[in-house]
Amino acid sequence: GAGVSQSPSNKVTEKGKDVELRCDPISGHTALYWYRQSLGQGLEFLIYFQGNSAPDKSGLPSDRFSAERTGGSVSTLTIQRTQQEDSAVYLCASSLAVGLPPGEQYFGPGTRLTVT
Amino acid sequence: KQEVTQIPAALSVPEGENLVLNCSFTDSAIYNLQWFRQDPGKGLTSLLLIQSSQREQTSGRLNASLDKSSGRSTLYIAASQPGDSATYLCAVNRDDKIIFGKGTRLHILP
Repeated sequence: GAGVSQSPSNKVTEKGKDVELRCDPISGHTALYWYRQSLGQGLEFLIYFQGNSAPDKSGLPSDRFSAERTGGSVSTLTIQRTQQEDSAVYLCASSLAVGLPPGEQYFGPGTRLTVT
Repeated sequence: KQEVTQIPAALSVPEGENLVLNCSFTDSAIYNLQWFRQDPGKGLTSLLLIQSSQREQTSGRLNASLDKSSGRSTLYIAASQPGDSATYLCAVNRDDKIIFGKGTRLHILP
């Protein structure tokens, strides 16, 4: 079956512009996660959704970052007034459920964001 | 605060050799530990998931072990192949946050 998909695969934007990144999880997966990977850094957790709600937003770097999920499926990560330090690969993952223990996460190919 | 460390940062070995990648974490109160591989320009591929109650998991030429009390995991790759060249990441999961190490860049020499 289809895996996690993300769009766009690459995005170049000017500093100060807003961007929207999209994630389509695996059908039936109730949990959805956003991460980012900056050059030379490990993966950084941003936010996760259980259904349409986001119990934990503590990983979002600043109030310029927001995310939403509708219909328990597609999620969008929005970055407002982008800064050069926002340049990174943004990865989305989904899993069957958030629980104890958490399920295995399946990752999308990522969106490479470059802020010029 | 949970910290995940992977050693070595990079490794090159001749094809056919067995090798071990190491992962350590500072807080042993984890739900599970997961090993991923990441190929250049690609997303992450999950290799093995070890629940906190388990000691090891095997998949093909891969074997991952977990020692929670000492905060360590190893990924053993048998009979390495050039196609195994990638970055290998370990991640620990707790309270629905997943903390990743910075990875080991593995290069298998043909």
